[in-house]
Amino acid sequence: DTGVSQDPRHKITKRGQNVTFRCDPISEHNRLYWYRQTLGQGPEFLTYFQNEAQLEKSRLLSDRFSAERPKGSFSTLEIQRTEQGDSAMYLCASSPQGWDYGYTFGSGTRLTVV
Amino acid sequence: QQQVKQSPQSLIVQKGGISIINCAYENTAFDYFPWYQQFPGKGPALLIAIRPDVSEKKEGRFTISFNKSAKQFSLHIMDSQPGDSATYFCAARIEDDYKLSFGAGTTVTVRA
Repeated sequence: DTGVSQDPRHKITKRGQNVTFRCDPISEHNRLYWYRQTLGQGPEFLTYFQNEAQLEKSRLLSDRFSAERPKGSFSTLEIQRTEQGDSAMYLCASSPQGWDYGYTFGSGTRLTVV
Repeated sequence: QQQVKQSPQSLIVQKGGISIINCAYENTAFDYFPWYQQFPGKGPALLIAIRPDVSEKKEGRFTISFNKSAKQFSLHIMDSQPGDSATYFCAARIEDDYKLSFGAGTTVTVRA
């Protein structure tokens, strides 16, 4: 296992289209997080899974956003009816139980809505 | 509202010099303060972290200084190298929570 994998790396979509991103965490990590990073800013928390359970959603995650983690393995983040303001880097991270190991982030999916 | 304020936005340092990045916070419930390094096209990578019961932590050329009373912490990069050119983020976490609040980032450029 070489780390957290995200697919696709880049996505360009037209406004109003739906997009889905995938994250494969480090296999032994039971915690998975989604963050959003806009240009010139630090990552902002979107949502958190422990195994298959989604335990918290940020108010940044509007009703157009949905995330899943079936069977506690990979996760998907779907954005419906994309808007230009959704253009950002979407980062996935994972961590084992116990905080001191910190997060391992993937390389992100860069979304551009035109 | 950004819970962690980071400065400067960018800095340029000569090879062999010292880079200093500062962060300040208001929430006294924060109990874990990591620094992340991010290269273009990559996700952030954990560099070094500190808890508030320690005033300084050093790992190689990277040192965190922590001032609990002032609610400030800083990253010092000693003997800066061109390979250190990256964006650095400070972050903070509330005790028993799992999500991080990040600063806005500092882009460090090390000139050879």
